[in-house]
Amino acid sequence: AQKITQTQPGMFVQEKEAVTLDCTYDTSDPSYGLFWYKQPSSGEMIFLIYQGSYDQQNATEGRYSLNFQKARKSANLVISASQLGDSAMYFCAMREGTGNQFYFGTGTSLTVIP
Amino acid sequence: DTGVSQDPRHKITKRGQNVTFRCDPISEHNRLYWYRQTLGQGPEFLTYFQNEAQLEKSRLLSDRFSAERPKGSFSTLEIQRTEQGDSAMYLCASSPSAANTGELFFGEGSRLTVL
Repeated sequence: AQKITQTQPGMFVQEKEAVTLDCTYDTSDPSYGLFWYKQPSSGEMIFLIYQGSYDQQNATEGRYSLNFQKARKSANLVISASQLGDSAMYFCAMREGTGNQFYFGTGTSLTVIP
Repeated sequence: DTGVSQDPRHKITKRGQNVTFRCDPISEHNRLYWYRQTLGQGPEFLTYFQNEAQLEKSRLLSDRFSAERPKGSFSTLEIQRTEQGDSAMYLCASSPSAANTGELFFGEGSRLTVL
């Protein structure tokens, strides 16, 4: 089974609107971390936000927030007030316990329309 | 620039040739990772170093692939007898061991094209 599933290959959003990128995960480890990365066309993966499995509150970082629903094993990224510079690939990732591997989804391509 | 740097950024080679990529992590980071990313996919784990010790290797890392981090600083990834299926972006990342969240800091990648 896939560790990370991103079911939206591509998304479009109007500038200044909010958008939600979906991510579901699969693990039996009670301790895990969930990450979102942005990959612009330049190729560099940029860390956006982190959610620990024991965190009680949803993570927020500026315009990024993570909608963490543990029972549903989902960790959706919400980008508020979209900007043209947000156009990029977005990857959800998970690390189990203190393991060294990060498991990435297949990504969602976000296009912000002016 | 004090981020992760990778060299070369692009490499075109003929099938059967050897190629080597270099990664210079963020200086205070003792953890170093190599990932491979093919078109339309997310990064896939290849190998992990803590200081100079290679602690984990993926089954994706065939015997044609070798990675080193001799002094616990920069790392090299060598692919021998390249095949067309090796064409991909090779990403290096580093992380400090004491990081609260353990997020990875990535370089811009080395894109390999095997003709």
